[in-house]
Amino acid sequence: DGGITQSPKYLFRKEGQNVTLSCEQNLNHDAMYWYRQDPGQGLRLIYYSQIVNDFQKGDIAEGYSVSREKKESFPLTVTSAQKNPTAFYLCASSIPAQPQHFGDGTRLSIL
Amino acid sequence: GQQVMQIPQYQHVQEGEDFTTYCNSSTTLSNIQWYKQRPGGHPVFLIQLVKSGEVKKQKRLTFQFGEAKKNSSLHITATQTTDVGTYFCAGKNNAGNMLTFGGGTRLMVKP
Repeated sequence: DGGITQSPKYLFRKEGQNVTLSCEQNLNHDAMYWYRQDPGQGLRLIYYSQIVNDFQKGDIAEGYSVSREKKESFPLTVTSAQKNPTAFYLCASSIPAQPQHFGDGTRLSIL
Repeated sequence: GQQVMQIPQYQHVQEGEDFTTYCNSSTTLSNIQWYKQRPGGHPVFLIQLVKSGEVKKQKRLTFQFGEAKKNSSLHITATQTTDVGTYFCAGKNNAGNMLTFGGGTRLMVKP
């Protein structure tokens, strides 16, 4: 069954800690995206990648980092520099310029 | 940068009443997409509009794209409890492949 898998579903971060959110897709999509969603808010773009080994900052990239070493994988690291990381993180993929398919999301909270 | 505004932010309706959400972009769009996010879930693609003045229907849902390609609307006729969720518009401009999401309209339906 083709789709996008995000893990973990829930994640807790301690002060000063970096955490990495996983996103894997088997849809053979070139483009992948990371969004942040705060309660009752829309989606804000953190990073996106249109092709392997290339990625671009979105609107709110500060405090986050990504890599795109494989077509299937686009992990997001929330660094200690991100002072307000509590949010719902959504990964998506698409054929460029086509509708995006979303994973189930990861809820990140501060301990 | 491009901004996409969506109104209203919330809407409570009695089951059987109609519902409309409106989306306005600060720039001309090449296309607009609509997504639905159920409570606790992830956004799911509903439809894409590309042509100026385009109207598309999906059962009780009617989507419109404005003549100037800067605004769009989603109208639901005779709402049902299964329509509950947040409806997002997302606009793509001619400059790239990125989507800019509106803040969403949360629809609540009283049975």
